[in-house]
Amino acid sequence: AQSVAQPEDQVNVAEGNPLTVKCTYSVSGNPYLFWYVQYPNRGLQFLLKYITGDNLVKGSYGFEAEFNKSQTSFHLKKPSALVSDSALYFCAVRERNQGGKLIFGQGTELSVKP
Amino acid sequence: GAGVSQSPSNKVTEKGKDVELRCDPISGHTALYWYRQRLGQGLEFLIYFQGNSAPDKSGLPSDRFSAERTGESVSTLTIQRTQQEDSAVYLCASSPAGAHEKLFFGSGTQLSVL
Repeated sequence: AQSVAQPEDQVNVAEGNPLTVKCTYSVSGNPYLFWYVQYPNRGLQFLLKYITGDNLVKGSYGFEAEFNKSQTSFHLKKPSALVSDSALYFCAVRERNQGGKLIFGQGTELSVKP
Repeated sequence: GAGVSQSPSNKVTEKGKDVELRCDPISGHTALYWYRQRLGQGLEFLIYFQGNSAPDKSGLPSDRFSAERTGESVSTLTIQRTQQEDSAVYLCASSPAGAHEKLFFGSGTQLSVL
């Protein structure tokens, strides 16, 4: 069965420092991988996706993610964190033959302090 | 409207009562999804509609849960004989044809079963 794990419930980073939010997955074949962000009192928003090709994917708001097939990981990164990046981040996976069914991780709360 | 609209935004009900949650997707979006988010947990897939295809109901937790969608428009999620463990935020999302990863989420319905 497909699954997504975000091992950290919370990540704390100082403004200006690089940030990493971890995600690992378990799915058969080559998956599609996604990151979504949920700002306080707002709905989830799409950040970026990996479909195929370059393992480093760039997305919205300066975020990027690196697909690592051997480690089955898709960690979210940003070189320099902003206080406004503080939010809940969800990793998601979809098998290529599963239509639009996205399976989400449990979420990681990112807190960026000035 | 510009986004996915869900109603009501909050629903408080007594154990054993039936509830109906509504989702208005973005006009023209062919795919519609329902997810559940319990407090402090990730998104749990419930059901997925894609055009006129049979819906993927694999995430519905019990036969008390059902959902319908009229064409490519409104969807309703019905929970019969509600239980306290049904308390959660129920999120609806839609996506356009050919871009299933770009889920646009509504703000959710906060369901509280007393």
